[in-house]
Amino acid sequence: QVQLQESGPGLVRPSETLSLTCTVSGGSLNNYYWSWIRQAPGKGLEWIGYISYSGTTYYNPSLERRVTISLDTSENQFSLKLSSVTAADTAVYYCARYSGTWVVFDNWGQGTLVAVSS
Amino acid sequence: LVLTQSPATLSLSPGERATLSCRASQSVSTYLGWYQQKPGQAPRLLIYDASKRATGIPARFRGSGSGTAFTLTISSLEPEDFAVYYCQQRSSGGGAPLTFGGGTKVEIK
Repeated sequence: QVQLQESGPGLVRPSETLSLTCTVSGGSLNNYYWSWIRQAPGKGLEWIGYISYSGTTYYNPSLERRVTISLDTSENQFSLKLSSVTAADTAVYYCARYSGTWVVFDNWGQGTLVAVSS
Repeated sequence: LVLTQSPATLSLSPGERATLSCRASQSVSTYLGWYQQKPGQAPRLLIYDASKRATGIPARFRGSGSGTAFTLTISSLEPEDFAVYYCQQRSSGGGAPLTFGGGTKVEIK
């Protein structure tokens, strides 16, 4: 069973760049898409974007100009960078495996809370 | 694509039947998923392709529907089923955005 684990700072200053990494264990990055999803406190789920195993990226249009998702196949990791953050970016950030066949997220990390504050 | 879930909150007792609705603003065929989220936990995939149960999901969870109208039915609520449920889809076209519904909270009456 594949497992995903997010890591990164829990506090980011306004206007700076949020950076998170997801480590995938128990399986390869091949043949899936790898995604980031966030959830503001008390709110619903918001898809941020995903990257294919070949490195093609797709982003939520509402975040596209600030988001970069990248892949490190040698480390079995993928990463998120979100620039120019504000308090509105405070959320639990989840990494997840996305099945392009069924259009669903079938494996999730436990999530990591990132607060944007000075 | 907009996914609208109703009701926002469902108050039921253990053993009762829960019926949750998800409506899409445009047809999505059967490419719809349902997730369960408990407090402090990540969402868990319950249903994919509108009606297929994910690995390990009990038979009391049943998904149905196609096009623009979908339903998640929990036949007899167990104590561990009280949670928030989300539906999710992707707009048509390669690379199109993925969208979640606003969620339905199933709470103990």
